[in-house]
Amino acid sequence: DAKTTQPPSMDCAEGRAANLPCNHSTISGNEYVYWYRQIHSQGPQYIIHGLKNNETNEMASLIITEDRKSSTLILPHATLRDTAVYYCIVRVYTGGFKTIFGAGTRLFVKA
Amino acid sequence: KAGVTQTPRYLIKTRGQQVTLSCSPISGHRSVSWYQQTPGQGLQFLFEYFSETQRNKGNFPGRFSGRQFSNSRSEMNVSTLELGDSALYLCASSPDPGQGSEQYFGPGTRLTVT
Repeated sequence: DAKTTQPPSMDCAEGRAANLPCNHSTISGNEYVYWYRQIHSQGPQYIIHGLKNNETNEMASLIITEDRKSSTLILPHATLRDTAVYYCIVRVYTGGFKTIFGAGTRLFVKA
Repeated sequence: KAGVTQTPRYLIKTRGQQVTLSCSPISGHRSVSWYQQTPGQGLQFLFEYFSETQRNKGNFPGRFSGRQFSNSRSEMNVSTLELGDSALYLCASSPDPGQGSEQYFGPGTRLTVT
């Protein structure tokens, strides 16, 4: 089972910040949180990942709570092309890595 | 740097046949994982390879198998195809298997079983 839960869908106005929440209350101390997005059956696109510090790259920012039980992906200025399914995942190590995807959040960016 | 490549991109097979899908990871990446994506089940983990060794496997029947070569390229095989095997098969590569390494996906192979 996925170690994360996300809302099934969200809307965002074009040009505004999109804030996508994720709960991962059972995350272990050395497990990273990863975010991917998938646009219409293309391969998932890596966005960002983090352990406990906030992270930022050219695509997005990742805010992880101090207790690490939840995180938020922030797209600072959403565009129509950001409409996609966003997956928050925790990679689990069991002698090898297993990436368990949940259902993700379908983000609709509207003009 | 070239991304993850998968061949073929599209494939149509008949029930009972077998199929082999290929994945070439990003240059320098040694870990390769495979996933199946269907509308009903979403993205499901199949297996992970590192240095030619399968290190982890998802909950799929033995008809699904894979291997990794010394150059990190990987293949997966599905024998005795069933209609339910119709799916998008995705391959992803990582520079190393350690925690905190990025994982990049290929475009996928869309398999249709008739």
